[in-house]
Amino acid sequence: DAKTTQPNSMESNEEEPVHLPCNHSTISGTDYIHWYRQLPSQGPEYVIHGLTSNVNNRMASLAIAEDRKSSTLILHRATLRDAAVYYCILRVVYNFNKFYFGSGTKLNVKP
Amino acid sequence: DAGITQSPRYKITETGRQVTLMCHQTWSHSYMFWYRQDLGHGLRLIYYSAAADITDKGEVPDGYVVSRSKTENFPLTLESATRSQTSVYFCASSEADSNQPQHFGDGTRLSIL
Repeated sequence: DAKTTQPNSMESNEEEPVHLPCNHSTISGTDYIHWYRQLPSQGPEYVIHGLTSNVNNRMASLAIAEDRKSSTLILHRATLRDAAVYYCILRVVYNFNKFYFGSGTKLNVKP
Repeated sequence: DAGITQSPRYKITETGRQVTLMCHQTWSHSYMFWYRQDLGHGLRLIYYSAAADITDKGEVPDGYVVSRSKTENFPLTLESATRSQTSVYFCASSEADSNQPQHFGDGTRLSIL
């Protein structure tokens, strides 16, 4: 089963860009890359997802490597409210069992 | 407001007791999910449901029972609680397409003494 590898923690300064990496070397052709984040004492929150092309939305950008074995979540200007645990997840279409959160990256944002 | 709500937010019980965690969503989403999150770890899928009266096991289903008689409700029951089931439980829902985002509740913190 496809799994992901992320750094345990990262630190950023407020109002600077943040690049959160994720390795998924065993990804298959039908796996979508999803990112969620979890603020303290809250449930996870969807951030962004993609298959092959880079994706942008109001929250973040997702850059996917050409071989799809890695991806990077980009927060363009980190704020204190972005301090959370960020999870990179592979989703197999129509297979809800295959949805592993992993342990994520804890992002600390310094003022 | 529309959303997904879990109750209770906090629960303390004893080993061997039955406890039911409630989940209610107002979006009419087809799919609903139950996860557990243990301290310092990511979420693990317990059970999910594709529609009313259709449920299936996730990664860690042992010791749990679910039902879904109505689209909007998806209760999770621990028939005989054990200390290893002390955890934070999250309910989520999503539209029918498995690639759609899942929307999570705020969780139930369950302690089993």
